[in-house]
Amino acid sequence: GDSVTQMEGPVTLSEEAFLTINCTYTATGYPSLFWYVQYPGEGLQLLLKATKADDKGSNKGFEATYRKETTSFHLEKGSVQVSDSAVYFCALSEGGYSTLTFGKGTMLLVSP
Amino acid sequence: DGGITQSPKYLFRKEGQNVTLSCEQNLNHDAMYWYRQDPGQGLRLIYYSQIVNDFQKGDIAEGYSVSREKKESFPLTVTSAQKNPTAFYLCASGIAGPYNEQFFGPGTRLTVL
Repeated sequence: GDSVTQMEGPVTLSEEAFLTINCTYTATGYPSLFWYVQYPGEGLQLLLKATKADDKGSNKGFEATYRKETTSFHLEKGSVQVSDSAVYFCALSEGGYSTLTFGKGTMLLVSP
Repeated sequence: DGGITQSPKYLFRKEGQNVTLSCEQNLNHDAMYWYRQDPGQGLRLIYYSQIVNDFQKGDIAEGYSVSREKKESFPLTVTSAQKNPTAFYLCASGIAGPYNEQFFGPGTRLTVL
């Protein structure tokens, strides 16, 4: 079945540091890929998505590129802020009536 | 404003009692989902519904029940058969299609005493 593997956290960074959170996936078809963000005590918000190979999703300074050859969708940001502290989830969908498959989440802690 | 509402935000119940969590959406989405979130476990799918009056079990349906009588509503009942019900419960909705993007509510934190 489908699966998503994320790097374990927490990831601790100083403000303005470069961020990478690794995500790899296993899927039978050609999935769409997503990054969601969850702030403490809240639901998940869609951060960005990519629907086919080599697509780059971007939002709020975050980027991720759909790499079919390495089955990866790593999240990056050039300069993190304290307000980026949250849990980040990578997810995939095979489309149609399939459900989302989530990774276990990676907590990011950014200090001033 | 369009969105998904879950109520209440916090819920306390005594062991052995059934409890129903509310989820309402006004996004006109056909599909709705219930997830459970535990620390370090990520999100696990409990039930989902692609259309009114129809729903399917997810990965951890035992001890839970749902109904889908209206497009806008997808309540979840946590029954006394659920062994460890204390968790954060998230409802989501979406449009079935090539991308299957889902939108989430704010969640309900259930504590069973």
